Amino acid sequence: DSGVTQTPKHLITATGQRVTLRCSPRSGDLSVYWYQQSLDQGLQFLIQYYNGEERAKGNILERFSAQQFPDLHSELNLSSLELGDSALYFCASSVDLSYNEQFFGPGTRLTVL
Amino acid sequence: AQSVTQLGSHVSVSEGALVLLRCNYSSSVPPYLFWYVQYPNQGLQLLLKYTTGATLVKGINGFEAEFKKSETSFHLTKPSAHMSDAAEYFCAVTPWGAGSYQLTFGKGTKLSVIP
Repeated sequence: DSGVTQTPKHLITATGQRVTLRCSPRSGDLSVYWYQQSLDQGLQFLIQYYNGEERAKGNILERFSAQQFPDLHSELNLSSLELGDSALYFCASSVDLSYNEQFFGPGTRLTVL
Repeated sequence: AQSVTQLGSHVSVSEGALVLLRCNYSSSVPPYLFWYVQYPNQGLQLLLKYTTGATLVKGINGFEAEFKKSETSFHLTKPSAHMSDAAEYFCAVTPWGAGSYQLTFGKGTKLSVIP
């Protein structure tokens, strides 16, 4: 158990819908990363937040957005969902910007029908 | 820009045999290098990492990897495979000193262990 929690574990929805994925980092970790794992693209970095502020952006679609709240949990919002958004979404956390090791949550499996 | 190439999407070894999973990277700055393992229906677990210092790094479960700058490689080895090693393995790189340690992953290598 990495100490990172993600909810829900599974999510099934329809095209055009909007969903929110939630991540609670390990206690004390200030930095949260979101990754997408799909059969087509493999594991890709989406976005990073540090202490409530966006820190880095990767291959994140404009339909996707994220935020980190004062209690440090983070949410990834996916809207206007398409079939191709079906994937496993991972959250990872690390202590701060100077620390390189990331601890991954169990992931949320999103299925878009 | 960085990239990671893992040679072989699927590797099969016999139980007790040597495990060798290959990883080559491309990075414009000195990298940090990682190997992660993913068991079915689970998240990613860090096996080992190279940051600075000794180029041969030991990780959990008897795995080790050697950073070879001249070959831009970071191959993962284990002397004797165990059935419990069956999983998918990902090599990853992140730029040193960038302030954001976003990981760039390889496509992964699925390891099967034959009894």
